[in-house]
Amino acid sequence: DTAVSQTPKYLVTQMGNDKSIKCEQNLGHDTMYWYKQDSKKFLKIMFSYNNKELIINETVPNRFSPKSPDKAHLNLHINSLELGDSAVYFCASRAGGRGTEAFFGQGTRLTVV
Amino acid sequence: DQQVKQNSPSLSVQEGRISILNCDYTNSMFDYFLWYKKYPAEGPTFLISISSIKDKNEDGRFTVFLNKSAKHLSLHIVPSQPGDSAVYFCAATWAGSYQLTFGKGTKLSVIP
Repeated sequence: DTAVSQTPKYLVTQMGNDKSIKCEQNLGHDTMYWYKQDSKKFLKIMFSYNNKELIINETVPNRFSPKSPDKAHLNLHINSLELGDSAVYFCASRAGGRGTEAFFGQGTRLTVV
Repeated sequence: DQQVKQNSPSLSVQEGRISILNCDYTNSMFDYFLWYKKYPAEGPTFLISISSIKDKNEDGRFTVFLNKSAKHLSLHIVPSQPGDSAVYFCAATWAGSYQLTFGKGTKLSVIP
């Protein structure tokens, strides 16, 4: 039973479209994250939610909007997709915010054409 | 501004030998450090961690060393196995923070 699951695994879409990536965790964790891994392989934090509340919001275009309907889910919606949005997006969850490891989903490879 | 740096993008090691992966950090607030391992087309998986109250933590073939004064940590894998071939990420955080900051990763290739 997958601890952190993301869907879809692959997403190919045209510029200008709107798309969503879904994430669910069954670990009972309070904190969830979205990370972006770009072509330079850098894992960069985008957002973090704790108990459905946004606690980290890095410098990310407004076209990216996270939504946490409950503690177990953190979805990422992207409007007006651009070529530069092509990357692998990872969802992660963590028990609280301190002294614990994060568990990652398998990633969603987004390709904008 | 990279707060966690892994200056070696890649490392090749012979099977059975020791692999040493290095990580430097700049933020003095970091007090908890983690290593993750990542295979292609998979998410990173947690490997081992160390708190700043320790200078060494060991788990089987994996040992992490922390030198707080130098703001440096290293991951030792002994003996290295072909299945260890992956990208290794160093990450850091501090008590009370939800931030988990990653380095760029080092690709380890263990040659049979």
